[in-house]
Amino acid sequence: QQQVRQSPQSLTVWEGETAILNCSYEDSTFNYFPWYQQFPGEGPALLISISSVSDKKEDGRFTIFFNKREKKLSLHITDSQPGDSATYFCAARANSAGNKLTFGIGTRVLVRP
Amino acid sequence: EAAVTQSPRNKVTVTGGNVTLSCRQTNSHNYMYWYRQDTGHGLRLIHYSYGAGNLQIGDVPDGYKATRTTQEDFFLLLELASPSQTSLYFCASSGTINSDYTFGSGTRLLVI
Repeated sequence: QQQVRQSPQSLTVWEGETAILNCSYEDSTFNYFPWYQQFPGEGPALLISISSVSDKKEDGRFTIFFNKREKKLSLHITDSQPGDSATYFCAARANSAGNKLTFGIGTRVLVRP
Repeated sequence: EAAVTQSPRNKVTVTGGNVTLSCRQTNSHNYMYWYRQDTGHGLRLIHYSYGAGNLQIGDVPDGYKATRTTQEDFFLLLELASPSQTSLYFCASSGTINSDYTFGSGTRLLVI
């Protein structure tokens, strides 16, 4: 059973549009949520992260919105660029789990020029 | 810059074969992890380690052994490889508790 769920599995947007990637979780002890970006042939790399004490985190064109009550978060990519085409993983960590991250299945994003 | 190096980059073995995947980090990180990545499953944790000589069981450990020989080196062993272990394997490291991961570039394993 997936503890971290992502949707959609794939997403196509036009250049300049906003891509919205969704993530939800089950474990109420999760308190830290990083998003990783992965390009083909490479390992995932940290893109942006948020802790459960915040409801929004922004870094350039990338913004995380977090709803603790509903156990949901989303990653918004504004003004999407073809170079943003990649797979995005939502992950979660609990303080009690050492430094273990639980990942979702990923969302593959394609940005068409 | 922090680096995690995996070898080999690609590996083909036969069912029942013996495979060792290697990972070296030059970050002076305490924590190291082995994940497998499969379509529809994302990244799943196989084994991890808090330091040299330490091993912890992950979420999908069956059929895998691991060994952390030094601070830098973490190995994943498949002693009787099966086709179900065909996958993309990633090693990662992190420095302290609650720190972020640095991933390697992956090893693609095919078991025929």
